[in-house]
Formats: sequence, C-alpha cells, structure tokens
Amino acid sequence: RKEVEQDPGPFNVPEGATVAFNCTYSNSASQSFFWYRQDCRKEPKLLMSVYSSGNEDGRFTAQLNRASQYISLLIRDSKLSDSATYLCVVIYNTGGFKTIFGAGTRLFVKA
Amino acid sequence: DGGITQSPKYLFRKEGQNVTLSCEQNLNHDAMYWYRQDPGQGLRLIYYSQIVNDFQKGDIAEGYSVSREKKESFPLTVTSAQKNPTAFYLCASSRDRDNTEAFFGQGTRLTVV
Repeated sequence: RKEVEQDPGPFNVPEGATVAFNCTYSNSASQSFFWYRQDCRKEPKLLMSVYSSGNEDGRFTAQLNRASQYISLLIRDSKLSDSATYLCVVIYNTGGFKTIFGAGTRLFVKA
Repeated sequence: DGGITQSPKYLFRKEGQNVTLSCEQNLNHDAMYWYRQDPGQGLRLIYYSQIVNDFQKGDIAEGYSVSREKKESFPLTVTSAQKNPTAFYLCASSRDRDNTEAFFGQGTRLTVV
C-alpha cells in the first residue's frame, strides 16, 4: 500500500462547479499535511497547509480527518485558472521528518 | 533571495552516458529530496537526505546515485543502468527540524537520445 494515495482523476468540471479531492495516508504518526498545486511543466508550489480544525482560504477549504486518515481539498466556484494537478503531502517523523507526496489529482475546468 | 536552484533546466544526453543534475539551496534546510515525474504522472521519490553525509533510497533508486557532502548541495547522477531516464527531475528541500513544508527547484528536463 502506498504511504499517500490520491485519485489520479482527471476531474473535468465546468466553471463555477464545486469539486472535492480526497487523499488517504497510511502512517498514523503523520504530523503535518499540505496541499500543493502543480501547473503543467512547472514545479509544485504550496497551496495551503491543512490544520486539524480545518482551514479556508477564499474558495479553497482543506480538512483533516485523523481518525480515518484522510485529508480533503474543496474548491468552490471553480475558475479556468484552477486547472492544474493537486498534490497531497504528508510529513511524519522517522527520527527526522520525512515528506511524502501523493501522485496528484488532475483537474480540468472548462468554460 | 533564498531559494533552491536546479541546473540545467534542459539536458540532452546520449544513451549509455552518465549525467549529473545539480541541486543547490541556500535556505539552510537539512532535508533534501529528488523526485522523478513522467508525463501525466505524479512524483516518485528517488533519494532523500535528512543530514549531511547521509541519504536513503526512495521508491525508485535503481540506476541513480546521490551524494550529500555539503548541506547546500544534493547532486543526482543518472547512470547508464537507469533503463528509462528521460523524465522531469525535481529537487526539493525542507527544514527537517520541524514539520514545515518543502520547497522545489524549477526542475531539470532530461532527454536521452
């Protein structure tokens, strides 16, 4: 089983739609969680951190469910510019912190 | 400005040749990572290092080698033993003393002809 798993998609949605991505992780000692965005042929960049209490940044909401070991990203009112790959990232402590990336979920927002 | 730099951005090599990709960071980060990404695919971990003079294999280390002689530098060598080396290679670093996020270089696109 992979340490971090995501639905690869692609998700094809119309502008204005709400779309949600889930990501599961296998190590219950995982300590920090993030969502990254990667545009085509570019490096991934941090989108938002995921806090235990959940957090919101404009149209984006991230949530963490430790009991079920998953994190989610909700995008409301999708824009064409949201088209990208969204990577879930988990950090856990192995005697030093190890960062694990999910394979990413591709999103296409169409007019 | 602090950051993480990969060079070169594009690299072409003949089949059977070893090639070394550079990754340098001036963020004073302890941990550094190398990932490979194939077209339309996710990131796959090649090697990572949490401290100078130490590194561990990731999921797809075969055909690759690394060194970590300095904190700032984590070069990746793609050897002739790597059967399908054409890919986008990404280097990342993170603080490692705490659980903060990783930062990426702009990547090196390697094409073997």
